[in-house]
Amino acid sequence: GAVVSQHPSRVICKSGTSVKIECRSLDFQATTMFWYRQFPKQSLMLMATSNEGSKATYEQGVEKDKFLINHASLTLSTLTVTSAHPEDSSFYICSVGLAGNEQFFGPGTRLTVL
Amino acid sequence: EDQVTQSPEALRLQEGESSSLNCSYTVSGLRGLFWYRQDPGKGPEFLFTLYSAGEEKEKERLKATLTKKESFLHITAPKPEDSATYLCAVRQTSGNTPLVFGKGTRLSVIA
Repeated sequence: GAVVSQHPSRVICKSGTSVKIECRSLDFQATTMFWYRQFPKQSLMLMATSNEGSKATYEQGVEKDKFLINHASLTLSTLTVTSAHPEDSSFYICSVGLAGNEQFFGPGTRLTVL
Repeated sequence: EDQVTQSPEALRLQEGESSSLNCSYTVSGLRGLFWYRQDPGKGPEFLFTLYSAGEEKEKERLKATLTKKESFLHITAPKPEDSATYLCAVRQTSGNTPLVFGKGTRLSVIA
């Protein structure tokens, strides 16, 4: 399967600041990556689909101006949480799909906004 | 309405006590049902993919089965290291498309 990394693994920031999270596909060129968010004891919820070289597709209710996604290469997608607030505190996870079959997930990034 | 429902929400087993986790789904045109294991503070780890009713897959103490309405994850003689949250997810459309997840079953295996 694909090996996916995320950086940072955890970040604490003050309210109003922006935070960038990187998702890298280490052994697979991914034209598509997915960003999910998981609140405590809840399921993974899809935020957006990141497409290499084009605009991301956001799920209903996810603000595209707040959660900026850039997929500039086949191995890197970034999620920037702009002007973060405490309600944005969550576990952010990216995934890479293999030719329409299994999806492999990164280790996640724990964001805490004070 | 939830498309993927997992039960029970939490399960506590003694070491060696076999049991099953349930995942029921209501999507039409299933394009794959996936089982993942998630440890606290970690990303989901892929376990199985099932595509058609009657299909079964096994890995160590785990066996996944699929019918037209639900999937079961059978755990035989579990060990404490099997403690984790087990997530079920479905894909509704063909291609490299996202998954829809259930809320998971938190399994605790007590020595």
